[in-house]
Amino acid sequence: AQSVTQPDIHITVSEGASLELRCNYSYGATPYLFWYVQSPGQGLQLLLKYFSGDTLVQGIKGFEAEFKRSQSSFNLRKPSVHWSDAAEYFCAVAPMYGNKLVFGAGTILRVKS
Amino acid sequence: EPEVTQTPSHQVTQMGQEVILRCVPISNHLYFYWYRQILGQKVEFLVSFYNNEISEKSEIFDDQFSVERPDGSNFTLKIRSTKLEDSAMYFCASSEWDEQYFGPGTRLTVT
Repeated sequence: AQSVTQPDIHITVSEGASLELRCNYSYGATPYLFWYVQSPGQGLQLLLKYFSGDTLVQGIKGFEAEFKRSQSSFNLRKPSVHWSDAAEYFCAVAPMYGNKLVFGAGTILRVKS
Repeated sequence: EPEVTQTPSHQVTQMGQEVILRCVPISNHLYFYWYRQILGQKVEFLVSFYNNEISEKSEIFDDQFSVERPDGSNFTLKIRSTKLEDSAMYFCASSEWDEQYFGPGTRLTVT
């Protein structure tokens, strides 16, 4: 069965500092990989996705993620965090299009000024 | 930009009552989903729907749950007899191909 691990429940970074949120997945083949963000009281917004090709993918709001097959990882990065980035971030996988998403437990990002 | 909408935003109901949560997916999308998120927990898949039938459902999606696409635009989730543990945020999502777009959610509170 597929599973997604986000080992960090909470992360606090200073505004302007770089950010890396970790995500590891368990799946036999390379799944479709996603990062979503959820602000308090809001729905889930897609930040970026990876299906194939270039292993470094760019997303919205200045985020990027790198797929590393050897580590079964898909870590999310941002070079300089803004206070508005404070939210909960979810990594998710799906075996192919049209299939359910399996979510990680989420990482809550706090940004201190 | 097209978006998924859900109504109501918040529903309070008594245990044992039936509730219907409504979603309007993005118009050209073919795949429809319901997920739920119990407070403080991860987002969990409930059911997917394609070509007017359920394509996959989780073990959470028991006989108390049903989905319907009654017309060309709405997608509903019905819980026949709500339990306290059904209290959660319910998200509808739709996709044309690979990217699932989520609605803002309906917070269901069962008292």
